[in-house]
Amino acid sequence: KQEVTQIPAALSVPEGENLVLNCSFTDSAIYNLQWFRQDPGKGLTSLLLIQSSQREQTSGRLNASLDKSSGRSTLYIAASQPGDSATYLCAVRRRTGGGNKLTFGTGTQLKVEL
Amino acid sequence: ETGVTQSPTHLIKTRGQQVTLRCSSQSGHNTVSWYQQALGQGPQFIFQYYREEENGRGNFPPRFSGLQFPNYSSELNVNALELDDSALYLCASSSDGSSYNEQFFGPGTRLTVL
Repeated sequence: KQEVTQIPAALSVPEGENLVLNCSFTDSAIYNLQWFRQDPGKGLTSLLLIQSSQREQTSGRLNASLDKSSGRSTLYIAASQPGDSATYLCAVRRRTGGGNKLTFGTGTQLKVEL
Repeated sequence: ETGVTQSPTHLIKTRGQQVTLRCSSQSGHNTVSWYQQALGQGPQFIFQYYREEENGRGNFPPRFSGLQFPNYSSELNVNALELDDSALYLCASSSDGSSYNEQFFGPGTRLTVL
């Protein structure tokens, strides 16, 4: 059974800091990994999708890496801003069993302070 | 391009009642997945529909059922509501049922069971 863990559960940083969010998964047989942002009470916004054959993806100030063999991914946020405050979720799509579903971590709640 | 939409936004029901939630997939997408997100948790996969057929199901009882229509919109039905069914219900769409394709989420329906 695939399990996804995100560390830390919560993080508070001053504006302008670079930060790293961590995601680990127990089954390395995955199709891809997706990072999402969720504002309170809202739906999920897809940030980055990394296929299992890729090592990293970049979008603006965001960079996500994937090390499939060790079951880890990181989301790097450069020059954080108060508008980045949200919960960040990672999710993996397994290659074996479970169909086409995403398995999510419980998220990292980020607060960027002025 | 129209994104994923869900209705209603909020819903309050009592135990034992039945509820129907609706989702319109993003333009060009023929695959819809439903997820349940309890407070403080990551979303949990309920089931997926691809071209009007169920294409994978998570660990949810049969009182959770669904439909997909020829225009690829979808419904989630929950019978005999229980207090623990209170959650944010998220719909996601993707194209062609492929495990490689990115999933795009709607804003969710907040269900409260009293």
